[in-house]
Amino acid sequence: SQQGEEDPQALSIQEGENATMNCSYKTSINNLQWYRQNSGRGLVHLILIRSNEREKHSGRLRVTLDTSKKSSSLLITASRAADTASYFCATGTGGGNKLTFGTGTQLKVEL
Amino acid sequence: DTAVSQTPKYLVTQMGNDKSIKCEQNLGHDTMYWYKQDSKKFLKIMFSYNNKELIINETVPNRFSPKSPDKAHLNLHINSLELGDSAVYFCASSQTSVETQYFGPGTRLTVL
Repeated sequence: SQQGEEDPQALSIQEGENATMNCSYKTSINNLQWYRQNSGRGLVHLILIRSNEREKHSGRLRVTLDTSKKSSSLLITASRAADTASYFCATGTGGGNKLTFGTGTQLKVEL
Repeated sequence: DTAVSQTPKYLVTQMGNDKSIKCEQNLGHDTMYWYKQDSKKFLKIMFSYNNKELIINETVPNRFSPKSPDKAHLNLHINSLELGDSAVYFCASSQTSVETQYFGPGTRLTVL
């Protein structure tokens, strides 16, 4: 069964608002990564958080990780129309750098 | 300047045919991957090669055969194509000990 479940499946917000996406997983991990996929394109790496970290920032992105709850969240602050995309969490469990992807959240940022 | 490239971008073919998808990376990475993304956007790893050696082989039908002629290339050959093979196939690469993966633009395969 798939490793990650993301919530919500779809999110529609206004430009300037914050967007929060959540990811839950089932087994122990080495790291958790977030990727963005624009329509019809490949995935782009956004941020990586290791299992011994609790929070990480990169520009307008903030990621949290709670290994006790096996969950992570991605916060995009001050969203822009260009942030419209699908966002995926992926868990790394070692062993050949295998990534297991979640179901994705489709974010739409409207002007 | 393309980091990870795939050809072709689109592939439309009949059931039963054999087809190949090519992938090349110019990042100097030593590990390459093939992923399949289905119509619901679920992305699942199929194979991974490190320095031309197969290291991840998920439960993929043996009609799918990856081939890595060198570290910069990982091709995917599919025999006897079936309707259920229709999907977008992504190639990716990374460097050992660095977990970030770089993805190609994808190949949309449609089997009629």
